[in-house]
Amino acid sequence: QSALTQPASVSGSPGQSITISCTGTSSDVGNYNLVSWYHQHPGKAPKLIIYSDNKRPSGVSDRFSGSKSGNTASLTISGLQAGDEADYYCCSYAGGPSLVFGGGTKLTVL
Amino acid sequence: QVQLVQSGAEVKKPGASVKVSCKASGYIFTDHYIHWVRQAPGQGLEWMGRISPNSGGANYAQRFQGRVTMTWDTSISTASLELSRLNSDDSATYYCAREYCTGGRCYSGLDYWGQGALVTVSS
Repeated sequence: QSALTQPASVSGSPGQSITISCTGTSSDVGNYNLVSWYHQHPGKAPKLIIYSDNKRPSGVSDRFSGSKSGNTASLTISGLQAGDEADYYCCSYAGGPSLVFGGGTKLTVL
Repeated sequence: QVQLVQSGAEVKKPGASVKVSCKASGYIFTDHYIHWVRQAPGQGLEWMGRISPNSGGANYAQRFQGRVTMTWDTSISTASLELSRLNSDDSATYYCAREYCTGGRCYSGLDYWGQGALVTVSS
C-alpha cells in the first residue's frame, strides 16, 4: 500500500486561507468516503480535525474544512493563525481493512 | 473522560522483541477499535494495524505480517502491541489511538490518541 501524496510544505500569512492536497487512488481515497485529517504539533500526538472526508469532530474550529474530488482530498484552513503552524497528515481507509497515511505537510505561518 | 495511557520508553537490541501497552478508560471499550500507528524520528505516520476489543480479532498492515501481534486484555482494559525481530528501522514512537465509532458504525477517524511510547533499537 503506497502512502498518499501530500505536498511537503505549504505556507501562508495570518488571516489567509491555505489548502493542502492529498492524492490517492481509486482503491483508497476515491473508493471510500473515509478520508481523515490530523494536525500534529512538535512533540505531541496527532489530533483529528476532519473525518469522513468533510466532517469536523466536536470542538474543532470551523476554520478547518475538508473536501474531495475523485482520488484527491483537500484540507482548507481559513483565517490562518500562528497556532495552526504544525504538520498535517491525511489518512484514508484502503479496504482490507487497512488505513494509509499521507507523507505529511509542514504548514508554516509567515 | 476518554484516556489512552501508554507504557514508557524502551531500548532494545536488534533481533529482540518489544511490547507496548495502552490502557483505555472513560468509554465503552467494545464500541471502538484500537489502532497502532508509529512515527520514526522526523518522519511521517505509519499505520500498523488495529484490534477489536469486542471480538479480539486483529488486522495488520501487510509489511508487518508475521512480526506483529496485537492483543486486548479485557480484565485490565489494555491493548498491547508486540513487535518481534527488531531492527534499527523500527526505532520510532508508537501510538495507540481509538477509532471514532457511533451508532454501530465506525468512521476510520482516530479521535483519541495515547501519548506515545518511544522505542529505540540499538546495539
